[in-house]
Amino acid sequence: EAGVAQSPRYKIIEKRQSVAFWCNPISGHATLYWYQQILGQGPKLLIQFQNNGVVDDSQLPKDRFSAERLKGVDSTLKIQPAKLEDSAVYLCASTKTGGYNSPLHFGNGTRLTVT
Amino acid sequence: RKEVEQDPGPFNVPEGATVAFNCTYSNSASQSFFWYRQDCRKEPKLLMSVYSSGNEDGRFTAQLNRASQYISLLIRDSKLSDSATYLCVVNLQGDDKIIFGKGTRLHILP
Repeated sequence: EAGVAQSPRYKIIEKRQSVAFWCNPISGHATLYWYQQILGQGPKLLIQFQNNGVVDDSQLPKDRFSAERLKGVDSTLKIQPAKLEDSAVYLCASTKTGGYNSPLHFGNGTRLTVT
Repeated sequence: RKEVEQDPGPFNVPEGATVAFNCTYSNSASQSFFWYRQDCRKEPKLLMSVYSSGNEDGRFTAQLNRASQYISLLIRDSKLSDSATYLCVVNLQGDDKIIFGKGTRLHILP
């Protein structure tokens, strides 16, 4: 089974620039998550999709972050404009539908550096 | 109170020793529980699920105490390769909201 695919692996941008990350979950996984992981901390949930609908985006800084999953498969996360404190690893994960007892499968992540 | 709390460590443990981590959660409606392992500069990977009856996988034992709202991970006969960050994960009932603790760093010393 192919895993969660993310791109790019690394990105370096200057503050106030914009950036976009892409994620393709495991085939058949209806639930998709974007997490932000700052160095030394655990992953923090940014947004959760169930198919193409948003389940939870309470911790997404909506003034600068946006995410979509238009066809219920792959997803993009955008930051515009970026701030220095956005430097982190952005992890995409997926689970099967109704998977309260299903583990998360993570992609390799995108490491963002904002200078 | 934070939703999921862990001792950040680091735990510096000699090879062959036994080490235990605890994790507490605040929401009594939490439904499922996991331990993930994260190596440096890698993504988290599932180590084991935590069942009400407790479960064991080789040198690893996980236990759940719903009354006190904590889960534990025990590693016996620790190996150098066990050095990693161990993340406690809680899935809240009903909406698949998955919350991570900040992780506990473990260093196994030769």
